[in-house]
Amino acid sequence: GAVVSQHPSRVICKSGTSVKIECRSLDFQATTMFWYRQFPKQSLMLMATSNEGSKATYEQGVEKDKFLINHASLTLSTLTVTSAHPEDSSFYICSARAAGGRNTEAFFGQGTRLTVV
Amino acid sequence: DQQVKQNSPSLSVQEGRISILNCDYTNSMFDYFLWYKKYPAEGPTFLISISSIKDKNEDGRFTVFLNKSAKHLSLHIVPSQPGDSAVYFCAALTGTASKLTFGTGTRLQVTL
Repeated sequence: GAVVSQHPSRVICKSGTSVKIECRSLDFQATTMFWYRQFPKQSLMLMATSNEGSKATYEQGVEKDKFLINHASLTLSTLTVTSAHPEDSSFYICSARAAGGRNTEAFFGQGTRLTVV
Repeated sequence: DQQVKQNSPSLSVQEGRISILNCDYTNSMFDYFLWYKKYPAEGPTFLISISSIKDKNEDGRFTVFLNKSAKHLSLHIVPSQPGDSAVYFCAALTGTASKLTFGTGTRLQVTL
C-alpha cells in the first residue's frame, strides 16, 4: 500500500523553541494532508487540513499562528510548532490523501512524539 | 461534542475467541465508516470500512456490521490472535466532508 513517512518519530525540545515535523508521501501525490494530535488515552483530534499550494484550514480552537502548516509540494507537508510549551507535548500524526479519493485513501504517518521540557 | 463514541475503553479476549468492538455515532450525515488499528507510538493503519448502503462488510478475519437505525457499528475479529492486541479506532465520514471523525478508541488485549 501507499507509504507516508513522518519525521522525526521522536523529538525533545526546550520550552520556547520551535519544532518542525515533516510528512512525506513516498509513492503517491498527496493533494490533501491532515494533521492530528493525540493526547494520552484519547482520540485523534484533527488539527488542520492542508491542500497543496493553499492555506491550511484549521479546526476550531487550534491556533494557526502556533501550529504553522506548509504544504508546498504534492509530496511534503510540514507542521511547525512555534514557541513550544510543555502543554504542546503530544503525539502528532499526519495523513495524506491522493487526488480523486475520499478519505478512504488517506494513509497515516507513523507519528511524532513531541516532548517539551 | 463527541460524535463518534467507543464506550468500552478496553477489552480482553482469549486467543481463538471472537473480539467484538463497538462504536456508536450521533451524526446521521455520516455515510462511510472505517476501522483503524493503532500500536503505541505509531500511526493508525486502516483495517476495514463500510458504506452506509451496506450492513456488513467482511475481509478475512475482520467483519464490520452497520446498524443505521441504531447508529451503531461493530467490528468482529475471529479468531482473535495475540497480534491483534492494539487500540482500535472507529472513524466516520460524511459525503461532503473530507475529514475523519474518530472515536476515542478501544484497547484490545488478546490473551493466550
